[in-house]
Amino acid sequence: NAGVTQTPKFQVLKTGQSMTLQCAQDMNHNSMYWYRQDPGMGLRLIYYSASEGTTDKGEVPNGYNVSRLNKREFSLRLESAAPSQTSVYFCASTGFSSGANVLTFGAGSRLTVL
Amino acid sequence: SQKIEQNSEALNIQEGKTATLTCNYTNYSPAYLQWYRQDPGRGPVFLLLIRENEKEKRKERLKVTFDTTLKQSLFHITASQPADSATYLCAPLPDTGRRALTFGSGTRLQVQP
Repeated sequence: NAGVTQTPKFQVLKTGQSMTLQCAQDMNHNSMYWYRQDPGMGLRLIYYSASEGTTDKGEVPNGYNVSRLNKREFSLRLESAAPSQTSVYFCASTGFSSGANVLTFGAGSRLTVL
Repeated sequence: SQKIEQNSEALNIQEGKTATLTCNYTNYSPAYLQWYRQDPGRGPVFLLLIRENEKEKRKERLKVTFDTTLKQSLFHITASQPADSATYLCAPLPDTGRRALTFGSGTRLQVQP
């Protein structure tokens, strides 16, 4: 029972390089999310996908793109990385508990942009 | 704009005491509020959910209160243990717009043996 799996766990990029963070969940959840976490800022929503085939912008979408490849997978792409995108990225999916949606998070991907 | 405030200073308490963490929110009325625990280097883990029509919710040594008049939730850990040391995040569900959880920045709890 893996839950939410993110890859890679660590990545160092140079400014201007591109990369894709991968996320997969095996809980048959409909909704998936990408958050970033910075010191003192808490978790901020980048993009989310309420269901397969749909994506919506969150609080801080600039510089990112997403793809909901199928029900299981939701990827986050940085087309031209900037130092401001140095952060820890968390993928999450939503299950139903106690009559409400609760998030199950992956272990995180730590990205450093030099 | 909608804002969530948690005490950014770490809370240090002695083992066996009750820890109380505060979450204040402004400019909205969440239908429910969730609390998560986050350990260093890991993703947050769901702990408890409380709805706007509930005053209090308990789970083992955990207790959450929700005061919609004060726009505040309190999170209590009774008989605290060193293993309770972690960062605790509150997440009210926005009442309009995108229906994705927004998070406070969290309060770090350190329980001393």
